[in-house]
Amino acid sequence: DTGVSQDPRHKITKRGQNVTFRCDPISEHNRLYWYRQTLGQGPEFLTYFQNEAQLEKSRLLSDRFSAERPKGSFSTLEIQRTEQGDSAMYLCASGPGYGYTFGSGTRLTVV
Amino acid sequence: TQLLEQSPQFLSIQEGENLTVYCNSSSVFSSLQWYRQEPGEGPVLLVTVVTGGEVKKLKRLTFQFGDARKDSSLHITAAQPGDTGLYLCAGALPDTGNQFYFGTGTSLTVIP
Repeated sequence: DTGVSQDPRHKITKRGQNVTFRCDPISEHNRLYWYRQTLGQGPEFLTYFQNEAQLEKSRLLSDRFSAERPKGSFSTLEIQRTEQGDSAMYLCASGPGYGYTFGSGTRLTVV
Repeated sequence: TQLLEQSPQFLSIQEGENLTVYCNSSSVFSSLQWYRQEPGEGPVLLVTVVTGGEVKKLKRLTFQFGDARKDSSLHITAAQPGDTGLYLCAGALPDTGNQFYFGTGTSLTVIP
């Protein structure tokens, strides 16, 4: 297991389209997090899973955003009807407790 | 409103110099972490501190958690070009321990 894997690394989409990102965490980590990072800012928390249960969601996560973690393994983050303001780096992290291991992120550009 | 303020925002120094980056808040944190991030990559965890007044050393990097657990500092001795990157602090609040609040970051450039 080489770390947290995210796919795709880059995504360009037209405004109004739906996009889905995938995150494969480190296998023994039961906690999985999604963060969003815009240029010049630190990451902002979006949502948190413990195993398959989504335990916390940020106010940033509008109705257009949905995240799943079936069977407590990989996770997906879907954005429906994308807007230009959704352009950002979407980061996934996993951990057993203190300290996260981040993936390399998915860079989304909405044109 | 940013929960964690980092200073300076940008820092450019010559190789061999020392530097300190600060992470400040009015909130008390149950733990605080420091990360380094390179362009196009995710942050990489450097250290976690959990006890007020705690000092941790990682080679040329020294991390300190304030006595009141509201602030932290990162000191780099004899900076090297490989230290170049975005340094981020992140804190967990006692009542929302599952999410970490990140600072805006300090962008460090070490000139050879």
